Amino acid sequence: DARVTQTPRHKVTEMGQEVTMRCQPILGHNTVFWYRQTMMQGLELLAYFRNRAPLDDSGMPKDRFSAEMPDATLATLKIQPSEPRDSAVYFCASGPGGQDNEQFFGPGTRLTVL
Amino acid sequence: AQRVTQPEKLLSVFKGAPVELKCNYSYSGSPELFWYVQYSRQRLQLLLRHISRESIKGFTADLNKGETSFHLKKPFAQEEDSAMYYCALGNAGNMLTFGGGTRLMVKP
Repeated sequence: DARVTQTPRHKVTEMGQEVTMRCQPILGHNTVFWYRQTMMQGLELLAYFRNRAPLDDSGMPKDRFSAEMPDATLATLKIQPSEPRDSAVYFCASGPGGQDNEQFFGPGTRLTVL
Repeated sequence: AQRVTQPEKLLSVFKGAPVELKCNYSYSGSPELFWYVQYSRQRLQLLLRHISRESIKGFTADLNKGETSFHLKKPFAQEEDSAMYYCALGNAGNMLTFGGGTRLMVKP
């Protein structure tokens, strides 16, 4: 049963530190998404890749956030420098693309910035 | 622009009562609608999608294009149904627009 994996599952860091979150999409999926989930805002799309190319990162704060796909098996989301307001659960999702819009979610990274 | 609205942030019902979680959408194209469920501190998982027209865990949802709705229904709620439910709208670009979510609490 193929699943999206994310590491770390939990991260506690201090304000100003760099945070890197990693995601392994399901093999064969060509779309990858990063979402942020908070109580106040719900699910927010941060970035979207298709065939490793960034297609939409309009939801991402550009000054401190960056998202990349170094290869087809790895997506990364970095925050530098981190701030307390970045505390949230960050989900990665992947999808087969094409005519199928279903997305498969990872378990999330729970980030706490002190 | 596409938009998904879930008007209730919280829905509380007693076990055995019927449940309806509302979802309305706006989209100029042909909509593809999904319901995702998130149990406590777990990943989101697909509950059902309108094109499959199947019932999962007793839940059903019918796409009503006239009312632009895709409400999720279950005739008899169970305690294990307590979770966060998200309605989502897909577009031709493989992106999903999520509603704000509804937390369902089923009381014993």
